[in-house]
Amino acid sequence: NAGVTQTPKFRVLKTGQSMTLLCAQDMNHEYMYWYRQDPGMGLRLIHYSVGEGTTAKGEVPDGYNVSRLKKQNFLLGLESAAPSQTSVYFCASSWVRGRIYEQYFGPGTRLTVT
Amino acid sequence: RKEVEQDPGPFNVPEGATVAFNCTYSNSASQSFFWYRQDCRKEPKLLMSVYSSGNEDGRFTAQLNRASQYISLLIRDSKLSDSATYLCVGDAGGTSYGKLTFGQGTILTVHP
Repeated sequence: NAGVTQTPKFRVLKTGQSMTLLCAQDMNHEYMYWYRQDPGMGLRLIHYSVGEGTTAKGEVPDGYNVSRLKKQNFLLGLESAAPSQTSVYFCASSWVRGRIYEQYFGPGTRLTVT
Repeated sequence: RKEVEQDPGPFNVPEGATVAFNCTYSNSASQSFFWYRQDCRKEPKLLMSVYSSGNEDGRFTAQLNRASQYISLLIRDSKLSDSATYLCVGDAGGTSYGKLTFGQGTILTVHP
């Protein structure tokens, strides 16, 4: 099992450009999440999905869109990148045991917007 | 007030030492808690889940005190490879679909 994978690993964008980050998981998890991690801010939830075809906003959704067309994939889009979106982006997926959700993370995408 | 607060450290300990990290949470609806470790420039990795009073896994012991809204992680016989940032994490409570709140992390360095 590859677990959770993310592509690309690194990317540099100019302000105003767009891009899509891909997250894939092979664990048949229902729940998937996108986070950003910035120095001094910890991990913050951008968007999440509770199943194929569903998405919901997290703590910091502005400037991002997501789609979950297939259960195993969760895409994060930046329509018009801004320097404030320079960050490390982590995807996670989760299985459920009762009311316990254990999240497993992908290796991250380092994005720089100039 | 942050929902999950940790002492950022850094903790600098010799090999073989016992070290304890503390964490407090403000959301009384939180049901489950986790400790993740994060190595530099890597993803967080799940270390332990805590949802009853405590959990033990080898050299690691996590305890939960719901009355005081306090979680701890104890590492015994520290190894050089334990050097990392340790994240205290709580769920959002209720029907939160697994949404988690992360502490800012505690940095641990184990030296020879």
